[in-house]
Amino acid sequence: GENVEQHPSTLSVQEGDSAVIKCTYSDSASNYFPWYKQELGKRPQLIIDIRSNVGEKKDQRIAVTLNKTAKHFSLHITETQPEDSAVYFCAAAGAGSYQLTFGKGTKLSVIP
Amino acid sequence: NAGVTQTPKFQVLKTGQSMTLQCAQDMNHNSMYWYRQDPGMGLRLIYYSASEGTTDKGEVPNGYNVSRLNKREFSLRLESAAPSQTSVYFCASSESGVNQPQHFGDGTRLSIL
Repeated sequence: GENVEQHPSTLSVQEGDSAVIKCTYSDSASNYFPWYKQELGKRPQLIIDIRSNVGEKKDQRIAVTLNKTAKHFSLHITETQPEDSAVYFCAAAGAGSYQLTFGKGTKLSVIP
Repeated sequence: NAGVTQTPKFQVLKTGQSMTLQCAQDMNHNSMYWYRQDPGMGLRLIYYSASEGTTDKGEVPNGYNVSRLNKREFSLRLESAAPSQTSVYFCASSESGVNQPQHFGDGTRLSIL
């Protein structure tokens, strides 16, 4: 089955700096890669997703890049703000699959 | 528009007791999912229902059963609760078809003593 590795497990940045979270996946047939943000005690919320026919996608301060050859994808947050502090999860789903496999999460702390 | 609603929000059980977690969505989604979240483990899929009338096992189905009651509702049952099932349980739903964004409920925090 699919295996998703996520790094780092914790990340601290100064407000205004950029943050990058990286994930690798094992199944070369995977073709859907969402990112979720989870604040303490709250539900996971989808913040951005990318499909395998696209190499990069941006939404304001958030961007995701995908390298299918290397089987890794990354989340980039620019101009970080204290409200970006949360746990971020990457996930991957195979072609024709309803199943999402999640990484173990990255706790991002933005220091004012 | 409530999205995905889970009940109860908190529950404490004794080992061996049974319990059903309820989930309902009002987004007219065809697919629904049950996950568990444990510290440091991310989210793991227990069962999913691609459409009304179908259910399939996910990554960690042992000890659980599910029922897709209708298009809106998808329940998760623990027949004989064990301490290893102490977790936060999330229900999610998505539009029809594979690789669709999943929308999560607020979760049920379940402790088994």
